[in-house]
Amino acid sequence: ETGVTQTPRHLVMGMTNKKSLKCEQHLGHNAMYWYKQSAKKPLELMFVYSLEERVENNSVPSRFSPECPNSSHLFLHLHTLQPEDSALYLCASSLGRVSNQPQHFGDGTRLSIL
Amino acid sequence: ILNVEQSPQSLHVQEGDSTNFTCSFPSSNFYALHWYRWETAKSPEALFVMTLNGDEKKKGRISATLNTKEGYSYLYIKGSQPEDSATYLCASSSNTGKLIFGQGTTLQVKP
Repeated sequence: ETGVTQTPRHLVMGMTNKKSLKCEQHLGHNAMYWYKQSAKKPLELMFVYSLEERVENNSVPSRFSPECPNSSHLFLHLHTLQPEDSALYLCASSLGRVSNQPQHFGDGTRLSIL
Repeated sequence: ILNVEQSPQSLHVQEGDSTNFTCSFPSSNFYALHWYRWETAKSPEALFVMTLNGDEKKKGRISATLNTKEGYSYLYIKGSQPEDSATYLCASSSNTGKLIFGQGTTLQVKP
């Protein structure tokens, strides 16, 4: 039991679709993250939320839109994606945004863009 | 070094062998170094977070060391077991708090 739950586990969508990825944690953490892992590349930070406020947007295209309605939930809204956006999307949380705290990851959503 | 680099990229060892791999990171503005284990079809799991030069951490048969002045960390596995097969990720952060990950070292332990 990871403590961080992501849904769905797999998603196939067309380039014109709109979908959302969901992440939920009940670890009492107040920082949450979205990462992208493309084939043969390192994990790449996309967004950071601390106390429900976005504190990092790592030059991510606007077709990815994050939302953090409370400290337990994080969404990634997707629209008009491109084939190169096919990747594994991982959510993580930590106790505080300070980087001497370990991050707890979900199992990820495998996204395929047709 | 501008990025986090891990070597080797992959490693095959026999059960019972001890092994180690390297993480190199920018030593300027260093704040913390993380190690994670990522098993296939599971989520990355935190092993260690180290912040001080000379830090050594141990968890069972796995240990790690940190040299912040020269910008490297070693992860050691003593007496490898098949269940140690995974990708081992390291990540470094500066005082901005943002983690930069390496590409990982994939370990296969043959019974």
